[in-house]
Amino acid sequence: TQLLEQSPQFLSIQEGENLTVYCNSSSVFSSLQWYRQEPGEGPVLLVTVVTGGEVKKLKRLTFQFGDARKDSSLHITAAQPGDTGLYLCAGVRGTYKYIFGTGTRLKVLA
Amino acid sequence: DTGVSQNPRHKITKRGQNVTFRCDPISEHNRLYWYRQTLGQGPEFLTYFQNEAQLEKSRLLSDRFSAERPKGSFSTLEIQRTEQGDSAMYLCASSLVVQGNTIYFGEGSWLTVV
Repeated sequence: TQLLEQSPQFLSIQEGENLTVYCNSSSVFSSLQWYRQEPGEGPVLLVTVVTGGEVKKLKRLTFQFGDARKDSSLHITAAQPGDTGLYLCAGVRGTYKYIFGTGTRLKVLA
Repeated sequence: DTGVSQNPRHKITKRGQNVTFRCDPISEHNRLYWYRQTLGQGPEFLTYFQNEAQLEKSRLLSDRFSAERPKGSFSTLEIQRTEQGDSAMYLCASSLVVQGNTIYFGEGSWLTVV
């Protein structure tokens, strides 16, 4: 059973466009992380959100945790080819159990 | 210490052989995790250690899989009698509870069973 659904699964856009990736669940999480993964490498942490309604910004990336702590979004402004990769959300259940989403594969064309 | 270290990075083995992967976590991280990831999927939880104690094992971890963390530092994941379905990337991650338990991944160990 996939507890975290990400959408879209694939996204191909032109450089300079904006995009939003969604991470949805029917379960409540104590915190949620976003990672980016390059082919053949491990996921690299981008951000952790903990409080319902929390918004965090990382340069051109904006992350939001839903008020009920069941969902999250990642918005990228003016995407660049260097943003290309697999974006993964991961929710924490209890104190240590990380459940990963299905992933969104982003390709930004120059 | 700059991060979680895994080796080997790549392993090709014949079906039926045993393989072992090693993970060195970030120094002083007391929690260590193993995940498995196949192409096009997110990582799937395999097992979790707090210090040297293995506190949870996923049903994905059949009896051919065994993980250890003998001194609460590095960990090994052994797969016996490998099958083609074991082909995947095996990811190790570590965390420290006082840092909000954010987990940090290694670069992964790719296994190809032929």
